[in-house]
Amino acid sequence: EAQVTQNPRYLITVTGKKLTVTCSQNMNHEYMSWYRQDPGLGLRQIYYSMNVEVTDKGDVPEGYKVSRKEKRNFPLILESPSPNQTSLYFCASSPDRANYGYTFGSGTRLTVV
Amino acid sequence: AQSVTQPDIHITVSEGASLELRCNYSYGATPYLFWYVQSPGQGLQLLLKYFSGDTLVQGIKGFEAEFKRSQSSFNLRKPSVHWSDAAEYFCAVGAWGSGTYKYIFGTGTRLKVLA
Repeated sequence: EAQVTQNPRYLITVTGKKLTVTCSQNMNHEYMSWYRQDPGLGLRQIYYSMNVEVTDKGDVPEGYKVSRKEKRNFPLILESPSPNQTSLYFCASSPDRANYGYTFGSGTRLTVV
Repeated sequence: AQSVTQPDIHITVSEGASLELRCNYSYGATPYLFWYVQSPGQGLQLLLKYFSGDTLVQGIKGFEAEFKRSQSSFNLRKPSVHWSDAAEYFCAVGAWGSGTYKYIFGTGTRLKVLA
């Protein structure tokens, strides 16, 4: 089944403790992206990747890092999480960034206390 | 600046009634237009998309949307709503400008369906 898999689905952590949210897609998509979803703000893009080793900032990149060492994987790293990063995170992928629409993962609900 | 507006935060309809969700965009170039649905606890699922050609596009789950350039709108419609359509719906716009591609989501419309 074609899908984007995120792990974990739920995560509670403490301020400052590094964490990684994994994202993997099995569709050989070149484009991958991370979004955060907050009430009243919709989805905001954190980082995106056009292909392996090619990443760029989205609209809200502060406090986040990403890497794209393999085509299928695009982990989101929070080096020092803070409470304002409490949010619902989605990974998405697409054959390219414009023409196809995105396939989304099921989301990761992160709480930073 | 590029923007997407979904004027209705919440909409309630009765099962079997027709539905129209509004989406307005602001962008100078010809946009790519999308509608997504998010069921509770799930990620977003693509319902339909418009790039060019026929301005009325059909999607999955019985949804359709009409692109009206003169009104900068891309409203989502369904003739008869089912209880399972209760979800949050997001309009998205993508467009090239100044050598870069921007893809922006609206803030969503939450649909409630009354039995």
